Amino acid sequence: DAKTTQPTSMDCAEGRAANLPCNHSTISGNEYVYWYRQIHSQGPQYIIHGLKNNETNEMASLIITEDRKSSTLILPHATLRDTAVYYCIVRFGNEKLTFGTGTRLTIIP
Amino acid sequence: EAGVTQSPTHLIKTRGQQATLRCSPISGHTSVYWYQQALGLGLQFLLWYDEGEERNRGNFPPRFSGRQFPNYSSELNVNALELEDSALYLCASSLAGQGNIQYFGAGTRLSVL
Repeated sequence: DAKTTQPTSMDCAEGRAANLPCNHSTISGNEYVYWYRQIHSQGPQYIIHGLKNNETNEMASLIITEDRKSSTLILPHATLRDTAVYYCIVRFGNEKLTFGTGTRLTIIP
Repeated sequence: EAGVTQSPTHLIKTRGQQATLRCSPISGHTSVYWYQQALGLGLQFLLWYDEGEERNRGNFPPRFSGRQFPNYSSELNVNALELEDSALYLCASSLAGQGNIQYFGAGTRLSVL
């Protein structure tokens, strides 16, 4: 799995868009980018994934740069319930997930 | 549709005892994964079961074991409990061949005294 780098923590005002970056400069051509989040004391929750095109679902948008070396998860209108640790995972296989330290996102009222 | 369910929610044991944790996957999911999350630490992969077989295990001693039943539910057993086994144990399930999209339960918090 390609190594990922995420900021340790970020703050975002409630109602604003939260933009969470992830660097994955060693990503290979067949590796996807996956995002999960873990709200305090709960199990992780799958958010979104993509290969090279931008993706959007009911939870978030994923923007992947053209060279695929970085991506950004966008929560369009952050709420207090979006406070969580967000994990960016890059992989191809379908076995275990390897969670790094993630970004602790705090939504400020 | 019911999500991944885990039982019990909390489990208190003493050192040296055995603990059994249970997981029921989402209907239609054949793969089950177990993870350990010690306080303040990240999720560590424990075991992966698919179609009743153990497919992969993480870097944990043999006293961590499990099985998957014909109905795809799973059990995690931890023998000879040690204080450092205190953690949140999370179970996840996925469709066959789609292990990158896993759905997690709420976990079992194991406390070893």
